[in-house]
Parts: sequence; C-alpha cells; structure tokens
Amino acid sequence: GIQVEQSPPDLILQEGANSTLRCNFSDSVNNLQWFHQNPWGQLINLFYIPSGTKQNGRLSATTVATERYSLLYISSSQTTDSGVYFCAVVGDDKIIFGKGTRLHILP
Amino acid sequence: DTGVSQDPRHKITKRGQNVTFRCDPISEHNRLYWYRQTLGQGPEFLTYFQNEAQLEKSRLLSDRFSAERPKGSFSTLEIQRTEQGDSAMYLCASSEGPGANVLTFGAGSRLTVL
Repeated sequence: GIQVEQSPPDLILQEGANSTLRCNFSDSVNNLQWFHQNPWGQLINLFYIPSGTKQNGRLSATTVATERYSLLYISSSQTTDSGVYFCAVVGDDKIIFGKGTRLHILP
Repeated sequence: DTGVSQDPRHKITKRGQNVTFRCDPISEHNRLYWYRQTLGQGPEFLTYFQNEAQLEKSRLLSDRFSAERPKGSFSTLEIQRTEQGDSAMYLCASSEGPGANVLTFGAGSRLTVL
C-alpha cells in the first residue's frame, strides 16, 4: 500500500519563526489533505490540495504530485499553532495518514 | 448542520465488557470512515461505508469489532470483549463521496480499558 512519511517528526520553534513541514508519499495519489490536531484531539482540515498551491492566512501548502511530495508552510508562528500536523493521502479510495509532525511554539 | 458528531466522548470500561460508539456524519455525506488513533501515532484506517454498504475493512478490525450504518445515516462501532490494547481514540469522518474525498472529522471517542 501507499506509504506516507512526514518530516521532521518534531519541531520546536520560537514564536514568530517560520516553518516548513514535508510529506512524501510512495505512489500516485488522487488527493491530499493537511490536518492540524489540536490538544483536545480534534482533527481540523487545513488544506485539500491534490496539486498546486493554496494559501490561507499565515498558512500555505504546495503539492507536487509528479514528484510525490507536499509542503506545509507556517509563517510568523504563534503559540496556538502548536500541535500535531498530519498529511493524509487518497489512493485507490483509501485514505492513509502519516505519523505527523509535532510542532511546539515557544512564547 | 453542526458537523460530525461522536458519542460518547469518553468511555472507561473494564476488560471483557462490550462498548459501542456512535457517529452522526454531516447530512448528505455518503461516505463514513472509522479510524483508530493511539498515542503518538497517526490515525489508522479501520473501515468505511458508502451509504449503508461497508466497502472495506482493515485487518486491524478483528472479529471483536463490528461496524454498521443502517439506512446510510449514522454509524455504530461496537467492540466486544474489550482488551487493554483497545484503548485508543476512535475517530469518525465523513465525506461527500467518490471524487470528493475531503474528510471532516468528529471530535473522537476516547476509550480506556482497565
């Protein structure tokens, strides 16, 4: 089946810093989503991005499907950005998650 | 519509007991998914439904687990004879259907088996 790898596994940054999270996947996928899991466990959809680039405020994402990776950019990070970020890919109708990147923003 | 609802949010049970979780998807979402998440891991696929039909089951779903979606609306996930290894967060998500696989998740049901 499709393998999804996220890097880095952990990231600690000072408030105001920028960060780039990466998602690599092993096979062609139909779609890709980025999620943020808050401290209460809720998965919040950030981007639905099978290809191209999207921006939403301080967050943006780029997926290069032909090279099998996606990037999530967080600019001017805030403490509320802390949590785990997951990439999930859709291939053959099954949605597979990576293990996530745990982001900790220090005040 | 208030999104995907899951009930109960927390369940503590003794080993060997049966538990049932309920998920109410976003109305008119044809697809409903169940995932399990343990500490430090990403969500793992368990099963999914297209309307009332259960289309795929993960090998993680042992014979103690059963899921239903009668009438293609809400879904239940039952775990019989619970084991301590079943302790996890059980997440439900829904989407509009094939070709529109934007998942919306519920808040999850956290199970603790003592």
